[in-house]
Amino acid sequence: RKEVEQDPGPFNVPEGATVAFNCTYSNSASQSFFWYRQDCRKEPKLLMSVYSSGNEDGRFTAQLNRASQYISLLIRDSKLSDSATYLCAVINQAGTALIFGKGTTLSVSS
Amino acid sequence: NAGVMQNPRHLVRRRGQEARLRCSPMKGHSHVYWYRQLPEEGLKFMVYLQKENIIDESGMPKERFSAEFPKEGPSILRIQQVVRGDSAAYFCASSLDRARTDTQYFGPGTRLTVL
Repeated sequence: RKEVEQDPGPFNVPEGATVAFNCTYSNSASQSFFWYRQDCRKEPKLLMSVYSSGNEDGRFTAQLNRASQYISLLIRDSKLSDSATYLCAVINQAGTALIFGKGTTLSVSS
Repeated sequence: NAGVMQNPRHLVRRRGQEARLRCSPMKGHSHVYWYRQLPEEGLKFMVYLQKENIIDESGMPKERFSAEFPKEGPSILRIQQVVRGDSAAYFCASSLDRARTDTQYFGPGTRLTVL
């Protein structure tokens, strides 16, 4: 089983839609989780950290499910500018690096 | 407040040449990480350095690759005798504190093309 897995998509949604991505991780001892956004092979940009209690930032909500070992990202009221690849990342066991999923591609159309 | 800086942004090398990639972390950050993104692949960790020390190099290929982060100056990722399979985007990230407890911020990357 891969350390971090994501559905590659693409997810094609109209503007205004709500879309959700899941990401599973294999190490049950993992403590820190993140969602990054990457545009057209540019650098990943931190979207949000994922806390045990879940967190929300505007139209974006992240949740952690430790029992099932997955994290989720919900995007409400999708905008054209949300089109990008969303990367899930987990801190490795040694606490020295991020382990990334391959990313989920979102395409929002008008 | 300048972010993580990398140069060059694009680098073309012929097989057998050396490639040197530079990374200047965000101001005040002393933790630097290098990642590689091969075409159609995800980001893979290569090495984690703190000033003058390599903390974790478990993701570095055993041969031809080396990294340093001197007391003064940028971090350098060096690839000797490049091969076509080294063609990739190389991203550097930095953090204020160690990876377990702090957020990593990424630079714009260096796109290496080996002819």
